[in-house]
Amino acid sequence: DAGVIQSPRHEVTEMGQEVTLRCKPISGHNSLFWYRQTMMRGLELLIYFNNNVPIDDSGMPEDRFSAKMPNASFSTLKIQPSEPRDSAVYFCASSSTVGTEAFFGQGTRLTVV
Amino acid sequence: GENVEQHPSTLSVQEGDSAVIKCTYSDSASNYFPWYKQELGKRPQLIIDIRSNVGEKKDQRIAVTLNKTAKHFSLHITETQPEDSAVYFCAASKPGGYQKVTFGTGTKLQVIP
Repeated sequence: DAGVIQSPRHEVTEMGQEVTLRCKPISGHNSLFWYRQTMMRGLELLIYFNNNVPIDDSGMPEDRFSAKMPNASFSTLKIQPSEPRDSAVYFCASSSTVGTEAFFGQGTRLTVV
Repeated sequence: GENVEQHPSTLSVQEGDSAVIKCTYSDSASNYFPWYKQELGKRPQLIIDIRSNVGEKKDQRIAVTLNKTAKHFSLHITETQPEDSAVYFCAASKPGGYQKVTFGTGTKLQVIP
């Protein structure tokens, strides 16, 4: 398996624009997590899904953030409208409910100018 | 919810010395405690984990200890090498159908040659 795949790797956008981050979890994993990493706050859990259903979105900072998982092999995190303070590295991770290790994607470095 | 605290936030050691990173957790139901290493610009990757039915686990130069009564666990790195320099995250998760993992705030370890 190629591991968790995220795209794009880097995104630079202007304030007010919509940003969509994409994630393909490891095949067979049914838990998916979106994290945001900044120097100030470290690694924050934004939302996680189990069997494509959002279980806990209490970490989503504002209504500007939304996440979907239309099927077991794809998830998106959308920010609309984006703001400079959204600049961070966004990681997607997946795990199996049988095992518990979370495998991270390579991350998307988002810069909002 | 679970709260994981991690100390210290930064740690500098001379090559060959030992490094210890400590974490505490709040939810006594947590039973899985992974440690992740994140090198600069890379994704977090699991280096060792421990479950609540075990008090200590070793893997070459790395060991983890768990004190369930006190709700704290530690990472020990012996004979440190420059390539050990990275940010280390502890985490805790609970049993159940959903493998939500709560991370500590990270420790930046610098090994001085």
